[in-house]
Amino acid sequence: AQSVTQLDSQVPVFEEAPVELRCNYSSSVSVYLFWYVQYPNQGLQLLLKYLSGSTLVKGINGFEAEFNKSQTSFHLRKPSVHISDTAEYFCAVSAPPGTGGYNKLIFGAGTRLAVHP
Amino acid sequence: DGGITQSPKYLFRKEGQNVTLSCEQNLNHDAMYWYRQDPGQGLRLIYYSQIVNDFQKGDIAEGYSVSREKKESFPLTVTSAQKNPTAFYLCASNRDSSYIQYFGAGTRLSVL
Repeated sequence: AQSVTQLDSQVPVFEEAPVELRCNYSSSVSVYLFWYVQYPNQGLQLLLKYLSGSTLVKGINGFEAEFNKSQTSFHLRKPSVHISDTAEYFCAVSAPPGTGGYNKLIFGAGTRLAVHP
Repeated sequence: DGGITQSPKYLFRKEGQNVTLSCEQNLNHDAMYWYRQDPGQGLRLIYYSQIVNDFQKGDIAEGYSVSREKKESFPLTVTSAQKNPTAFYLCASNRDSSYIQYFGAGTRLSVL
């Protein structure tokens, strides 16, 4: 079974500063990894995904994440944040086909990013 | 525009009452999902369906029921057996060959 741990429940940061949101996962099989963003009272929107290939993944809105298999991590980064990035961010893991749990996503508890002027 | 429509946006339940949350998609997706979101707990899977007339329990199915009579529709009923129904409910869908789930805007359920 897979699990996801988001190490920070809240991250305050000033506008134009860099930010890193941390995500660690646990799995006995290879995994696919995702970051989703949720703005207040809305559904989730995909930011980026890692399925295979390059371990550095670029997403929308200037975000990127790096898959580190040895540390079982998939941290999300942005070099300069804007007020509009204030939202909740969820890391999620899915098992590839043939390994059970196909297409099912396991979510972390979320990290609330608060960008201050 | 293609997407997932959840209704209503806000819903109130009286004690002992069953309520049904609607989820409709026009993306021609095969699989559909219901999640429950509570503060600080992320999203937990209630039920999912990979094909019409078939569905499976997720991690917290007790007190909930679903049906999948049409590909486009996956309604969720919160029964009176669910003693703590206050939460934000999210519906999602994806193509069978894809790992990317698309989400609706959610329904916030409260108890009167």
